[in-house]
Amino acid sequence: QVQVVQSGAEVKEPGASVKVSCKALGYSFTNFAVHWVRQAPGERLEWMGWINGGNGNTAYSQKFQGRVSITSDTAASTAYMELTSLTSEDTAVYYCARDRTTTWWGAMDAWGQGTTVTVSS
Amino acid sequence: DIMVTQSPDSLAVSLGERATINCKSSQSLLYSSDNLNYVDWYQQKPGQPPKLIIYRASTRESGVPDRFSGSGSGTDFTLTISSLQAEDVAVYYCQQNFATPITFGQGTRLEIK
Repeated sequence: QVQVVQSGAEVKEPGASVKVSCKALGYSFTNFAVHWVRQAPGERLEWMGWINGGNGNTAYSQKFQGRVSITSDTAASTAYMELTSLTSEDTAVYYCARDRTTTWWGAMDAWGQGTTVTVSS
Repeated sequence: DIMVTQSPDSLAVSLGERATINCKSSQSLLYSSDNLNYVDWYQQKPGQPPKLIIYRASTRESGVPDRFSGSGSGTDFTLTISSLQAEDVAVYYCQQNFATPITFGQGTRLEIK
């Protein structure tokens, strides 16, 4: 059974960084890609970037360029998303989602449960 | 960035009736090399992550009831629920993956009338 399991909720101060993990269960991590999508309160879903689980290639939304880093540990079947220089506008639920393919254009067919990141002083 | 706009923002439909949600993109999502439209539809229920229901504009994801269907090409797309069930109450999002950044519509909230 395919599952995507994310790390727990985080509370951070402004200016700090957060790193969220996303573990693949029930499928071969290297045969698929992983997207990161966030959802701020009352806002639409927002794509942050993507990593190819097989070769580690990445692509990022220009909005987050320079602040976001998506990495993976294939031995642990886990992807990570690190966001730096946090502000209150980064308060959101962060999701990882498997792509049906190793590309970024396949469709997101399995989602993690979401990780709430709260940025507050 | 490709803009994706849904209509209406909210919709109330009686049980057993048809629900139709529209999605319009700022540029064509039809890829000429494979003649496929790079638009997907997701369903999100309260407190849950989104769930893929339609990909490539019209292909139903495995396990999704056949009352859900997707249509359209180019810049205009439609999600149709042929006979609304109580469990279909959710927010529905269309998304384009024709180009990065991948972008989503603002969502359409579907309720029972």
